[in-house]
Amino acid sequence: DAGVTQTPRHEVAEKGQTIILKCEPVSGHNDLFWYRQTKIQGLELLSYFRSKSLMEDGGAFKDRFKAEMLNSSFSTLKIQPTEPKDSAVYLCASSRLGGRDTGQLYFGEGSKLTVL
Amino acid sequence: QQQVRQSPQSLTVWEGGTTVLTCSYEDSTFNYFPWYQQFPGEGPALLISILSVSDKKEDGRFTTFFNKREKKLSLHIIDSQPGDSATYFCAASPYSGGSNYKLTFGKGTLLTVTP
Repeated sequence: DAGVTQTPRHEVAEKGQTIILKCEPVSGHNDLFWYRQTKIQGLELLSYFRSKSLMEDGGAFKDRFKAEMLNSSFSTLKIQPTEPKDSAVYLCASSRLGGRDTGQLYFGEGSKLTVL
Repeated sequence: QQQVRQSPQSLTVWEGGTTVLTCSYEDSTFNYFPWYQQFPGEGPALLISILSVSDKKEDGRFTTFFNKREKKLSLHIIDSQPGDSATYFCAASPYSGGSNYKLTFGKGTLLTVTP
C-alpha cells in the first residue's frame, strides 16, 4: 500500500496569502491527523478526523487554520491569512482501527511552509 | 504545561556504543507509550511501543523500559550505528484501543552516532 502522501513538499508564501496543503492518507485508514512541527514547540495537533468527521480542532489554531476532509482519501489544510510565525513543517498522519497496527500513526513526509 | 518531557535534547555516541534516551510524564491516565524515529526530510515513523501493563519491550537492538511508579520510560539502543542518527520522540496517550488522537509527544532527542 502507498503511504501518506503530502503536497506540496515545500511552499513559500508572502504574509497575508492563503495557502492550501494537501494530504492523501493510507487507503483504508479511518483516522486522519494534521500536526504542526517546529523546533521550539515540537509536534502540535491541529485537527483530527474520524471517518471524515472533524472530531478535534486544536483550540489555539482555530482562527486562521481550517482542515477539511472532502472524502476518505483526501484532506486539505488551509491557512488564511498566513503569518511569519506559521513557518513550520506541517505533517499529515493516518491510522486505522482494528488490526495489528491499530492506533499506530503513519506520517507523511511533511510540507515545509516558509512565510516571508 | 509540558506533559511529556524528554532528555537529553541532543546526544552524540560512538558507533558500537549504547544510547539511552529518557522520558517522563505527568498524566496518570497515560497507558500507551510509543517511540517514533524521524530522519531529516521524512515524517516520524513508529519504532517501538509499550503498554503500561509491561515494563520492558525489546525489538532487535532497541529496548524500551517503563516504570509506572516513577512515571518514566527509556529507550536503549545497543550497538548504535551511524544509520541510527535521527530524532527520537517519545509519546504518551490514554489509549484504549480506539483512536489515538490524544497522543502527546515529547520535544525529541537528536541522536548523532559517530563512526
